[in-house]
Amino acid sequence: EPEVTQTPSHQVTQMGQEVILRCVPISNHLYFYWYRQILGQKVEFLVSFYNNEISEKSEIFDDQFSVERPDGSNFTLKIRSTKLEDSAMYFCASTAFTPSVVFYEQYFGPGTGLTVT
Amino acid sequence: KQEVTQIPAALSVPEGENLVLNCSFTDSAIYNLQWFRQDPGKGLTSLLLIQSSQREQTSGRLNASLDKSSGRSTLYIAASQPGDSATYLCAVREGEGAQKLVFGQGTRLTINP
Repeated sequence: EPEVTQTPSHQVTQMGQEVILRCVPISNHLYFYWYRQILGQKVEFLVSFYNNEISEKSEIFDDQFSVERPDGSNFTLKIRSTKLEDSAMYFCASTAFTPSVVFYEQYFGPGTGLTVT
Repeated sequence: KQEVTQIPAALSVPEGENLVLNCSFTDSAIYNLQWFRQDPGKGLTSLLLIQSSQREQTSGRLNASLDKSSGRSTLYIAASQPGDSATYLCAVREGEGAQKLVFGQGTRLTINP
């Protein structure tokens, strides 16, 4: 069964460093998302992406964040200068575009656990 | 702004019991609602998706109901098993296309053998 994959599974970085989190969405999906979950808190939306541009972004997604689809398969989240409060699990998700159906079910990857020290 | 709440925050029951998890949302203008399962340190596994026009969806021992007008959904788990132990999240989508999901905080379920 097709699935969303993410790399790395965990990353430790120092405050102020840049990190790139990578995702490979399901191959026929056209809508892509990043969410994060700080330990013990709700899953929060960061950004959605469609047709090579950002569709929506949350207040969290400030200038230190960026997303890119560098080729036909990868979807990346870059954090330019990490802060301690960026420590969280980051989830990538994707949704198919099916004009005749269904309902935009979102499929999530296993997450990347980011620890900023 | 849509807010999603799940009650209870945690639930512990003996194996074999039937149980109900609750989800409420403040804005009834939703497109659909998804129930997810999250195991510790893991990603989100979609369990059921229920459209705004539907009243319920079933998958195996799971049944999700939706009362859009009152802003509520329930997830019913029949004949619970220790393997059902996980955190269950509900999330609502407010429209088509690239619309985001808004999540509740989850119910941490423990099934005791």
